[in-house]
This record gives sequence, C-alpha cells and structure tokens, in this order.
Amino acid sequence: GAVVSQHPSWVICKSGTSVKIECRSLDFQATTMFWYRQFPKQSLMLMATSNEGSKATYEQGVEKDKFLINHASLTLSTLTVTSAHPEDSSFYICSATVSLNTEAFFGQGTRLTVV
Amino acid sequence: AQSVTQLGSHVSVSEGALVLLRCNYSSSVPPYLFWYVQYPNQGLQLLLKYTTGATLVKGINGFEAEFKKSETSFHLTKPSAHMSDAAEYFCAVSKNSGNTPLVFGKGTRLSVIA
Repeated sequence: GAVVSQHPSWVICKSGTSVKIECRSLDFQATTMFWYRQFPKQSLMLMATSNEGSKATYEQGVEKDKFLINHASLTLSTLTVTSAHPEDSSFYICSATVSLNTEAFFGQGTRLTVV
Repeated sequence: AQSVTQLGSHVSVSEGALVLLRCNYSSSVPPYLFWYVQYPNQGLQLLLKYTTGATLVKGINGFEAEFKKSETSFHLTKPSAHMSDAAEYFCAVSKNSGNTPLVFGKGTRLSVIA
C-alpha cells in the first residue's frame, strides 16, 4: 500500500508553546487528508478534513484557531497546535487519500505531551 | 449518523485458539465497514474491508469478517491466533470506501498467551 509519513512520532512541549505536526504522502498525491485525535482508551475522533489548496473543514467542537491545518501541496498537510495546554495531550494521526472512493492510508501517529 | 461499538476493550486468547473480535455498527445509509490493526508505535494498517458483494470478507494475516446486515455486525475472526497478532484492533464505518472520513470504534486490545 501507499506510504504516509507523520513527523514527529512523539513530542513533549511546554504549556503555551506551539507544536507543528507534518503528514506527508510519500508515493502518491493526496487530494484529501484527515486529522484524527485519540484520547487514552477512546476512539479516534475526526478533527478536520483538509483538501489541497482550500481551507480545512473542522468538526463541531474543534477550535480552528487552536488547531491550524495547512494543506499547501498534494503531498503535505500540517497540523499546528497553538498555545498548547496539558488537555491537548493526545495521540494525533493523519490519513491521506487520492480521491473519492479510494482507500485512505494512515500515518504512524504523533504522541503529544504538554507539560 | 454513523457509530461503531466494539464489545470488549481487551480480549485475551491462547496461541492457536480462535480469535473473535466483535463489532456492531449503526448507519443510516448502506455502510462501508473496515477493520484496522495498530501495532505499538505504528500507524493503522487495513486488515480488510466490506464494500459491496460477498458478505464474507477475507483479509491479510488470515483474518476474515462477515457482514451481517440483520444483526448490524461485522465481527472479525481468525481460526488460530499467533503471538504476532497481539495488537490493537479498530472497527470503522464510512459512507463510502475512501474519501469520507471513518467513524471508529474504541478499539479492542488483543493479547495472545503462549
């Protein structure tokens, strides 16, 4: 299957700082990327959908000014957690797909810990 | 709206025993159903998926699942567990086979005892 690379795999940051997570499709062009968040012992929950060249669509309850998503190219989407707080500590995972009705491939996830 | 319920957050089986991981879904439209596996510190890997057609779906590593519309279920099975099967398993539902984002269950951690 296609490869989606997510970086970093884990990050620890101080409260109030910002953290950027990258999601890259290595061998295909991803028109759409999805960002999910997983709290301990809970489901992966969709945060936002990003299409290349347009603004991301956020799910209800997700603060778009706090979780900035950029999808500037067909192979890269970034999620920036701004002014991070301990409650933002979670596992963030992206997936990417070529087009409608094709399989979405997942990155390996990023474990964020805010101290 | 769509939702997924995975019964049992942790399942433990002996090596060589049958693996059964339960998944029930709710969907207002014909569902597309998926099983993913996640090994520690790795991303999600697709095990199998049901789109249309045959209700018994075979996947990788000897896993299979059967779509039962009447029971709104999509349970995952494997006849004989291997130590390497120990991982987290997620059932998910979508409105289509790709682009529409997935709605996940909470996951089931499978332990295999030697």
